[in-house]
Amino acid sequence: DQQVKQNSPSLSVQEGRISILNCDYTNSMFDYFLWYKKYPAEGPTFLISISSIKDKNEDGRFTVFLNKSAKHLSLHIVPSQPGDSAVYFCAASPWNSGNTPLVFGKGTRLSVIA
Amino acid sequence: EPEVTQTPSHQVTQMGQEVILRCVPISNHLYFYWYRQILGQKVEFLVSFYNNEISEKSEIFDDQFSVERPDGSNFTLKIRSTKLEDSAMYFCASSEEYNEQFFGPGTRLTVL
Repeated sequence: DQQVKQNSPSLSVQEGRISILNCDYTNSMFDYFLWYKKYPAEGPTFLISISSIKDKNEDGRFTVFLNKSAKHLSLHIVPSQPGDSAVYFCAASPWNSGNTPLVFGKGTRLSVIA
Repeated sequence: EPEVTQTPSHQVTQMGQEVILRCVPISNHLYFYWYRQILGQKVEFLVSFYNNEISEKSEIFDDQFSVERPDGSNFTLKIRSTKLEDSAMYFCASSEEYNEQFFGPGTRLTVL
């Protein structure tokens, strides 16, 4: 069962342009969402999160948008840089607290071309 | 910057053998987790641990798996009798109460 779906396995973007990574979820109990970035041979690195009481959260070049009615979130990276090339995972949980298992999507491989 | 560390980075074992994967979580974190990622698949939750006991576990975490915090710093995952399908990257993570989970670099387990 894919509770968190990232339907694009890969995305290529030119340096300086916007990267938009999408994520859909099916479980209406999910209330807290995170984006992680992963380089080869490394663990996932936390990027940004959003709780369901907000529809946008921004941190530097990274912005996450949440559309709760559509059960959809997206990560925008502006401007994209070659160092952003990595696999991006969307993750969700029923609440923002300890002991909460994260449910991950399969990831989207972003390639930023110089 | 504090980070989660894991050892070994790569473990090769024969089917049926026991393995212990080790993690040192971030020192002031209270919650500890193990996840795994089979090659080409998504990261999957195995178990969470708080206050010296398991808080939640997935259906993957059967009787062959156990976790322990033997001292104030280490957090271990033991697989008693490894199977071929246990081959995966195993990630340890830790968190404070209301914040994001920080992941270690992973241990690649290869079962032959």
